[in-house]
Amino acid sequence: TQLLEQSPQFLSIQEGENLTVYCNSSSVFSSLQWYRQEPGEGPVLLVTVVTGGEVKKLKRLTFQFGDARKDSSLHITAAQPGDTGLYLCAGVPSGAGSYQLTFGKGTKLSVIP
Amino acid sequence: DSGVTQTPKHLITATGQRVTLRCSPRSGDLSVYWYQQSLDQGLQFLIHYYNGEERAKGNILERFSAQQFPDLHSELNLSSLELGDSALYFCASSVGGAGTNTEAFFGQGTRLTVV
Repeated sequence: TQLLEQSPQFLSIQEGENLTVYCNSSSVFSSLQWYRQEPGEGPVLLVTVVTGGEVKKLKRLTFQFGDARKDSSLHITAAQPGDTGLYLCAGVPSGAGSYQLTFGKGTKLSVIP
Repeated sequence: DSGVTQTPKHLITATGQRVTLRCSPRSGDLSVYWYQQSLDQGLQFLIHYYNGEERAKGNILERFSAQQFPDLHSELNLSSLELGDSALYFCASSVGGAGTNTEAFFGQGTRLTVV
């Protein structure tokens, strides 16, 4: 069972469209991170959300942490071909002795010009 | 450039062999994480070291082992290699141990192909 479930798995959209991808868990996280990975490269950190209900914006990307700190979403406005990549969420579950930085399987986004 | 260096970038070896993957973390980072990434499994956590000590073990096979040296670089040893071990192996580092606000910085990975 995957600790962090991401949906959708694959998303193909036209340039200029909006989209939202989700990261869900039954566990509480002290924080969640979002990463983007391009083929042949390592994941690159985009943002960390810490407080339940927190919203962070990075240009056209908006990240939200759920009130209960069990889920997060990433919304992209007016997607560009440069947004193409694998979007991964990651976190360490709250609780004593948790040291595993766990990743979801990711959403593979393709933005068509 | 994340500041995390992994060598080699590519490795082709035969079944049954043993290989060593090397990772140098970002300057000042005490934690090193190893991950295996395959098409169907995504990024699978293998092991975490903090300042030379093992902190957490994930889905790491008994044929695999790792260590972190006093200079904080780390090595992942893979032995008795099987075809199914072919994957991208990533190293990541962070300032502290995995916990609140852990932000990991990844190397470019080592692509291992077992033939």
